Amino acid sequence: SQKIEQNSEALNIQEGKTATLTCNYTNYSPAYLQWYRQDPGRGPVFLLLIRENEKEKRKERLKVTFDTTLKQSLFHITASQPADSATYLCAPLSMNTGFQKLVFGTGTRLLVSP
Amino acid sequence: DGGITQSPKYLFRKEGQNVTLSCEQNLNHDAMYWYRQDPGQGLRLIYYSQIVNDFQKGDIAEGYSVSREKKESFPLTVTSAQKNPTAFYLCASSQGEPQHFGDGTRLSIL
Repeated sequence: SQKIEQNSEALNIQEGKTATLTCNYTNYSPAYLQWYRQDPGRGPVFLLLIRENEKEKRKERLKVTFDTTLKQSLFHITASQPADSATYLCAPLSMNTGFQKLVFGTGTRLLVSP
Repeated sequence: DGGITQSPKYLFRKEGQNVTLSCEQNLNHDAMYWYRQDPGQGLRLIYYSQIVNDFQKGDIAEGYSVSREKKESFPLTVTSAQKNPTAFYLCASSQGEPQHFGDGTRLSIL
């Protein structure tokens, strides 16, 4: 079955450092992958989409890579700030049921301390 | 501002009771979705609708029902057949990608 793995343990880093979050997927080949941010008690907010033919995508302090050979996406936040503290979800696209749907990982909680 | 509104924010259900969660969007999106989020699990798709008057079961549809009579509205009913309804319910809409989410309804059992 399709499986999405994100680090379940929280990632603690100091302000100003680069945070790197990992998303691994198995048993399928997504045409693209999305990253969302979720704050406690709120709905996810879209951050970035990267397609299978793109190796890297950037948006301000955010960078996403997509390695279809390793079946992995890395999400980087440079010059991290306490306001970046949140849970980050990866969501590769799945088409195995004839309908395109996002399959969400459990998310990795990021804590940025001053 | 355009967005998705879910109500109520908190909901309590008694044994044997059906409850309905509201989801309204003013983004003019064709597709709408309902997800369930439990601690330690990713979002799981309950139902989705790609167009008005049409909807399909997702991965965990048992014990739930939906309707899509208007483009902007996609209510979810949690029936008494759903034996473990306590969760955070999220509604989303999209026109292609990405999905836009509401701020959820937290359902608990009395």
